[in-house]
Amino acid sequence: DTAVSQTPKYLVTQMGNDKSIKCEQNLGHDTMYWYKQDSKKFLKIMFSYNNKELIINETVPNRFSPKSPDKAHLNLHINSLELGDSAVYFCASSLQGGQGVEKLFFGSGTQLSVL
Amino acid sequence: GDSVTQMEGPVTLSEEAFLTINCTYTATGYPSLFWYVQYPGEGLQLLLKATKADDKGSNKGFEATYRKETTSFHLEKGSVQVSDSAVYFCALSDFGTSYGKLTFGQGTILTVHP
Repeated sequence: DTAVSQTPKYLVTQMGNDKSIKCEQNLGHDTMYWYKQDSKKFLKIMFSYNNKELIINETVPNRFSPKSPDKAHLNLHINSLELGDSAVYFCASSLQGGQGVEKLFFGSGTQLSVL
Repeated sequence: GDSVTQMEGPVTLSEEAFLTINCTYTATGYPSLFWYVQYPGEGLQLLLKATKADDKGSNKGFEATYRKETTSFHLEKGSVQVSDSAVYFCALSDFGTSYGKLTFGQGTILTVHP
């Protein structure tokens, strides 16, 4: 069983569209994250949720809206997609959040291409 | 704020060569330090970690020592294999100032040729 699974793996869409990426973890972790990786492999945190509560929001445009229906799921909805949103988006989870991250478990990524 | 700087890549080596990837950090508190590895088409996975000064993390022949005096956490392996080809990320988590946040370096692409 995949520990952290995200769908879709590839997402190709036009500018201005709205799209969602889903993430689920079966590890029983309380903390989940979204990271963005650009074309130069640079990774930057976007959001972190702990037990469905938003903990970290790192200066992300409000076109990006995370939703956590329960602690096993953290979805990412993006409105009015722009060319600069093209990147690989990684979902991750960890057991510890508030006292520092011990080990992150990553999904395999969603390659978003905005045309 | 916290930051991590890795050596510029890409790095290309022949099999059985010695590997060093440099990593230095800036943090206001007492960070834990990590190396993550990303194989092609996959997400990142933890390679090794060290939680306090002078700790040595090791895994799969890789090792790194937490050097507080030089604020460094360089990754080393004595003899690389083709299967080590991947992107390597140095990262830190600062218990004192960040809530569940890993700060990553820019990643170093390693290619190992037979």
